[in-house]
Amino acid sequence: QTVVTQEPSFSVSPGGTVTLTCGLDSGSVSTTNHPSWFQRTPGLPPRTLIYSTNIRSSGVPDRFSGSILGGKAALTITGARADDESTYFCLLYMGVGTRVFGGGTKLTVL
Amino acid sequence: QVQLQESGPGLVKPSGTLSLTCVVSGGSVSSSNWWSWVRQTPGKGLEWIGEIYHTGNTNYSPSLKSRVTISVDKLKNHLSLKLNSVTAADTGVYYCTREMDLPNWFDPWGQGTLVTVSS
Repeated sequence: QTVVTQEPSFSVSPGGTVTLTCGLDSGSVSTTNHPSWFQRTPGLPPRTLIYSTNIRSSGVPDRFSGSILGGKAALTITGARADDESTYFCLLYMGVGTRVFGGGTKLTVL
Repeated sequence: QVQLQESGPGLVKPSGTLSLTCVVSGGSVSSSNWWSWVRQTPGKGLEWIGEIYHTGNTNYSPSLKSRVTISVDKLKNHLSLKLNSVTAADTGVYYCTREMDLPNWFDPWGQGTLVTVSS
């Protein structure tokens, strides 16, 4: 069973920059994994932020960006705001009909 | 604009079958899209359950494959999820979503429906 790894928690100061990562226990993440990033706020459905590594979903501010860094998918948030405090999940495509979520990173803005 | 709405019993007994429906409005379940079910459970965070195409082709998560059935009803324009032999670990919020032109590009999402497994 594929394991997708994320930092359990992270903190950032208001106005600061943070990079969350998404890795594979069995190798490197590449663009062929079509990494996506979702913001999860209690009581609301997941919000798609980034898909296909670095494409922002409609309405997502350019403070959010995606990339591949050091064999991991990365989500960078610049100019962090209080309402960015949330849990962020990545999703990797592992081949036809198989995709796996990471465990999520709880981001605190303080 | 496509909208999705999940519904189903909020309480299921252990060893029973969880059955949910996702109604598609503003669009057709027969469009050239795959439709997925995703859940959020306290223990595992977000978990992809499986997907279906309007032709009936399906793919399931290996960890749930033995218990899951996803189907589509073109006349009623909805998709369905059945998960059998449920336990407390299956308690969570279940979402349906549409996959767009690229893998893992999901839009929109339904609001989700909470299912509790308890006697």
